[in-house]
Amino acid sequence: EVQLVESGGALVKPGGSLRLSCATSGFSLSDAWMSWVRQAPGKGLEWVGHIKSKSDGETTDYAAPVKGRFTISRDVSGTTLYLQMNSLKSEDIAVYYCARSSGSFDYWGLGTLVTVSS
Amino acid sequence: DIQMTQSPSTLSASVGDRVTITCRASQSISRWLAWYQQKPGKAPKLLIYLASSLETGVPSRFSGSGSGTEFTLTISSLQPDDFGTYYCQQYSRYATFGQGTKVENK
Repeated sequence: EVQLVESGGALVKPGGSLRLSCATSGFSLSDAWMSWVRQAPGKGLEWVGHIKSKSDGETTDYAAPVKGRFTISRDVSGTTLYLQMNSLKSEDIAVYYCARSSGSFDYWGLGTLVTVSS
Repeated sequence: DIQMTQSPSTLSASVGDRVTITCRASQSISRWLAWYQQKPGKAPKLLIYLASSLETGVPSRFSGSGSGTEFTLTISSLQPDDFGTYYCQQYSRYATFGQGTKVENK
């Protein structure tokens, strides 16, 4: 059974950093494209970025609002996905979901809340 | 960037009604479109991919159609479990979601 479990959400000050984790099971993380999608309180869904599969070069792409501040990576053991978030702003307040993507997002985690406030 | 526009933003319907939601892309996306259902406090659930392919386990009352820039999601007979918010998503280039359509009980 495919499972995705996010963790690491917290209250952080503007300009601060945070690393989110997504523990995966039930499939080969290295063979999958994985995305982070966020949802601000009461708002719609926003794609944050993705990391391609190992066979596709493990390259990353990011949405314009986070490019240069956020970084997606996988751990060496191959079961955990990360989202490193730097220079956090109030606009980054959201529930962050990891999702397995084959174009569409077929499996999602439950999400983890990131709050940015002084 | 490819923009996705859904209509209506809110839809009031009763159990048994036929419901149609429209999604328009700012440029052609062929059939690279998915539909999701989201309930409050929950993660989105994939319903339809490739514009009209039903995800495994999704009831057959859900159907999708369209190509290019215009797409529709239809619920043939609305059931109590279908109330929630629906999003379209293009994956022709990266990913973009529509703003959502809330289906509420009339």
